[in-house]
Amino acid sequence: GAVVSQHPSWVICKSGTSVKIECRSLDFQATTMFWYRQFPKQSLMLMATSNEGSKATYEQGVEKDKFLINHASLTLSTLTVTSAHPEDSSFYICSARVSAGGETQYFGPGTRLLVL
Amino acid sequence: GQSLEQPSEVTAVEGAIVQINCTYQTSGFYGLSWYQQHDGGAPTFLSYNALDGLEETGRFSSFLSRSDSYGYLLLQELQMKDSASYFCAVKKSGGYQKVTFGIGTKLQVIP
Repeated sequence: GAVVSQHPSWVICKSGTSVKIECRSLDFQATTMFWYRQFPKQSLMLMATSNEGSKATYEQGVEKDKFLINHASLTLSTLTVTSAHPEDSSFYICSARVSAGGETQYFGPGTRLLVL
Repeated sequence: GQSLEQPSEVTAVEGAIVQINCTYQTSGFYGLSWYQQHDGGAPTFLSYNALDGLEETGRFSSFLSRSDSYGYLLLQELQMKDSASYFCAVKKSGGYQKVTFGIGTKLQVIP
């Protein structure tokens, strides 16, 4: 149980376009989902906390107008990278907790974004 | 602010035991988790400590000392497939109890 999926698994886009990444909890409801970004050989950096039915909470330094997060249901959160630039190329990973305050985060398989 | 420190790389022999240390500095500490990540893959949860002491899960054990702001992950009977990056992560109290990851320790298991 506790499977999280992401779509797409990889995407190549032109600079200036927008890219939407979906994160789904397949067999549980997730009130809270998290979005991370990971550059090669670096750690996971939390970008924002996504909460069903309310605005996302962004980490310091993360532009909320550039990285749009929508958590429309208890099983789906989306991250849209708007007006993507080459420096946005990264590995984007979402995670979800089974219950509020639960210890375990279940991660999606990640989405590799390459902006040309 | 907060910080986590762990070694960047560790090499160990197949069948041996390896310990990966993690020290942290943070306010509102709630618990320490460990995650494994193979190259190109997503992190997978290994263990979690909220209280002092040792938690054992098969070949993996994790230890926490809250007074020392220190924890470690112990891997026994190393296998080649254990070659991966291991991240310690601090869970903070309050709010949505977000988790902050350390830089990760790349473990290489050699024959």
